[in-house]
Amino acid sequence: SQTIHQWPATLVQPVGSPLSLECTVEGTSNPNLYWYRQAAGRGLQLLFYSVGIGQISSEVPQNLSASRPQDRQFILSSKKLLLSDSGFYLCACYTLNTEAFFGQGTRLTVV
Amino acid sequence: AQSVAQPEDQVNVAEGNPLTVKCTYSVSGNPYLFWYVQYPNRGLQFLLKYITGDNLVKGSYGFEAEFNKSQTSFHLKKPSALVSDSALYFCAAGKSTFGDGTTLTVKP
Repeated sequence: SQTIHQWPATLVQPVGSPLSLECTVEGTSNPNLYWYRQAAGRGLQLLFYSVGIGQISSEVPQNLSASRPQDRQFILSSKKLLLSDSGFYLCACYTLNTEAFFGQGTRLTVV
Repeated sequence: AQSVAQPEDQVNVAEGNPLTVKCTYSVSGNPYLFWYVQYPNRGLQFLLKYITGDNLVKGSYGFEAEFNKSQTSFHLKKPSALVSDSALYFCAAGKSTFGDGTTLTVKP
């Protein structure tokens, strides 16, 4: 089965600094990959998804961007972080059976 | 637009008692519905899904959910709760619409 690796687990960054969160997948090829943000331990907001290398769909306009440089790598970035970017970021991979595998998440605090 | 509602922020049950975590949905077309569980500072874990077929869906760790089209509900159930079931539970429709979560606390 798939394994999703996310790092770092926690991150504290100053306002205005850049961001790069990485997600990699093991155990499958051509995965559909998703980035979510979870605020205050509650519902997930879909940020970006990718069905293949170089293919990114954005669900919500915001201060963030995503890239898919390799088949099993999905990166979430920002050029200048805002306080409102704080949250718990989750990467997920969906199988053909629509079952989702989530990474362990990155808790980002912007100070 | 799709939406999922979990009307209870918190559900408390005693160990050994049955539990129900409620979910209602609003989607166009046939719903793809999911339940996930989240432990503190961890990612979500898939419990079960309804795509089509039997209205009673069985999932991981003894959980099951009943799809009710007329009531647009997909409640999560377990006949006998365990303390280790204490966690945050999310209902979702598709890949982009999640409820706000319900915190389940099972007391010994």
